[in-house]
Amino acid sequence: AQSVTQPDIHITVSEGASLELRCNYSYGATPYLFWYVQSPGQGLQLLLKYFSGDTLVQGIKGFEAEFKRSQSSFNLRKPSVHWSDAAEYFCAVGAGGYGNKLVFGAGTILRVKS
Amino acid sequence: ETGVTQSPTHLIKTRGQQVTLRCSSQSGHNTVSWYQQALGQGPQFIFQYYREEENGRGNFPPRFSGLQFPNYSSELNVNALELDDSALYLCASSGRDSKETQYFGPGTRLLVL
Repeated sequence: AQSVTQPDIHITVSEGASLELRCNYSYGATPYLFWYVQSPGQGLQLLLKYFSGDTLVQGIKGFEAEFKRSQSSFNLRKPSVHWSDAAEYFCAVGAGGYGNKLVFGAGTILRVKS
Repeated sequence: ETGVTQSPTHLIKTRGQQVTLRCSSQSGHNTVSWYQQALGQGPQFIFQYYREEENGRGNFPPRFSGLQFPNYSSELNVNALELDDSALYLCASSGRDSKETQYFGPGTRLLVL
């Protein structure tokens, strides 16, 4: 069965500093991978996704993620964090095929210090 | 283009009652998925509907049921509510292909007392 691990429950970074959020997945085949962001009281917004091809994926708001098959990882990065990036971030893996269920990690809460 | 909408935004029920949550899918999307997000956790897949039929189900008991209508909108029904059903319920719409992005609504916050 698919699973996603986000090892960091909370991360605090200073505004302007770089950010890396970790995500490890377990899935037998080539995974479909996603990063979503959730602001307090809001639904989920897609930041980026990986299906195949180039392992470095660019997303919205200046985020990028790198798929590393050998490490079963899909870490999210941003070179310079803004205060508005404070939110909860979820990594998810898609099962593929029809019946397109997403399996989410537990999330990482990002706090930004000014 | 109208996004995914959900109603109501908040709901308070008592244990044993029944609840119906509603979701309108984004224009052009024929697939609706429902997720439960308990406090401090990631969303968990409940089930998915495609062309008015259930098309995959997660590890939820039968008292969680759903419907999809010809206009692709959907309902989530929960019978015999339990305290642990308190959560944010998220609806997502997409095309059927697994590569299609799921677009999420703002959710319905359910509190069971």
